[in-house]
Amino acid sequence: QKEVEQDPGPLSVPEGAIVSLNCTYSNSAFQYFMWYRQYSRKGPELLMYTYSSGNKEDGRFTAQVDKSSKYISLFIRDSQPSDSATYLCAMSDGSSNYKLTFGKGTLLTVNP
Amino acid sequence: DTAVSQTPKYLVTQMGNDKSIKCEQNLGHDTMYWYKQDSKKFLKIMFSYNNKELIINETVPNRFSPKSPDKAHLNLHINSLELGDSAVYFCASSQLSGRAGNEQFFGPGTRLTVL
Repeated sequence: QKEVEQDPGPLSVPEGAIVSLNCTYSNSAFQYFMWYRQYSRKGPELLMYTYSSGNKEDGRFTAQVDKSSKYISLFIRDSQPSDSATYLCAMSDGSSNYKLTFGKGTLLTVNP
Repeated sequence: DTAVSQTPKYLVTQMGNDKSIKCEQNLGHDTMYWYKQDSKKFLKIMFSYNNKELIINETVPNRFSPKSPDKAHLNLHINSLELGDSAVYFCASSQLSGRAGNEQFFGPGTRLTVL
């Protein structure tokens, strides 16, 4: 079992839809969770950062962490064509070397 | 003002050559990283330096040698390039000291093509 599993998609939705992106993980020591957005031929851009379980909201984006189920989600409300990108989840156990473990990314296309 | 910059952006070279990629960050961070992203978009950590000290060294061929002259710079030298080295290489930085978690900020990437 891979440490972090993420459905690669592709996921195609109409403009205005609510998008749900998910990752599952196996390492119960993970406690810091991040979502990155990567546009084609660009570097990953940090979108959301959460610690432990709970929700965090930032504009149209909501990140959820359920540590008991080892499951994290990113919701995008009122999706826009400019949200079309690959979304990568990443997580860390906060140990001394703070290595991030990434999911493989989900390719999202929002159609106008 | 670019936070994490890399040069060159594109690198096309022949098998067997030696090449270097440079990275600089102006965020004042104490830790820098090199990642390799393959054609399937999977991001894999290669190396990390904290205050010029190597802290992460994943299973990478020893043809790859990172060098950190100071906290703001991390270079990657690759000897005897092989076809399988073709990928996009990303530099990233973060502040580990005095902070919880590890929010990393990425550069724009260097697309390496080995012919």
